[in-house]
Amino acid sequence: ELKVEQNPLFLSMQEGKNYTIYCNYSTTSDRLYWYRQDPGKSLESLFVLLSNGAVKQEGRLMASLDTKARLSTLHITAAVHDLSATYFCAVDLGTGTYKYIFGTGTRLKVLA
Amino acid sequence: ETGVTQTPRHLVMGMTNKKSLKCEQHLGHNAMYWYKQSAKKPLELMFVYNFKEQTENNSVPSRFSPECPNSSHLFLHLHTLQPEDSALYLCASSRYTEKLFFGSGTQLSVL
Repeated sequence: ELKVEQNPLFLSMQEGKNYTIYCNYSTTSDRLYWYRQDPGKSLESLFVLLSNGAVKQEGRLMASLDTKARLSTLHITAAVHDLSATYFCAVDLGTGTYKYIFGTGTRLKVLA
Repeated sequence: ETGVTQTPRHLVMGMTNKKSLKCEQHLGHNAMYWYKQSAKKPLELMFVYNFKEQTENNSVPSRFSPECPNSSHLFLHLHTLQPEDSALYLCASSRYTEKLFFGSGTQLSVL
């Protein structure tokens, strides 16, 4: 059974600080996705990582994928309050399965 | 506007009621999904439809009955639910196995 684990589950950080969220998964996959969910809202896609070594950046967020280690990271640079949300990673089990398994989520709170 | 519309936004029902959740996507996607989001648990995949054919039923109890009449519409029929079924039910769609687009969800409370 595929397991997708994120850590930390909760993260409280000061504005201006850097931090990394980790996503580990237990089976082979070349596709990994990051989503953001604001309180009371739905999920929106942040990044799609499609191969080993893939790196994507958008503003203060940067995501990377190491398929050999079965690890993805979401790095936050100089955090601002607007980044407060819950972040999920999700793994695609393979082409054609249409099965996306989500991690436990990391609830991020950025303190002013 | 995400292109995926869910109704109703909120639903309160008794254990003996029958109700339905509706999802519609305007993105031309071929795949549609139901996910359940409970407090303190990861998103749970419930059902997947690809070109209106069910491809995944993740051991969901029969009190949840999905229906997909075409690639743009997805329903989740609910009957004799239990209080532990209270959760946020999210619909999503995708173009093949690309990223998911989510609706706003239906917050369900079972009394």
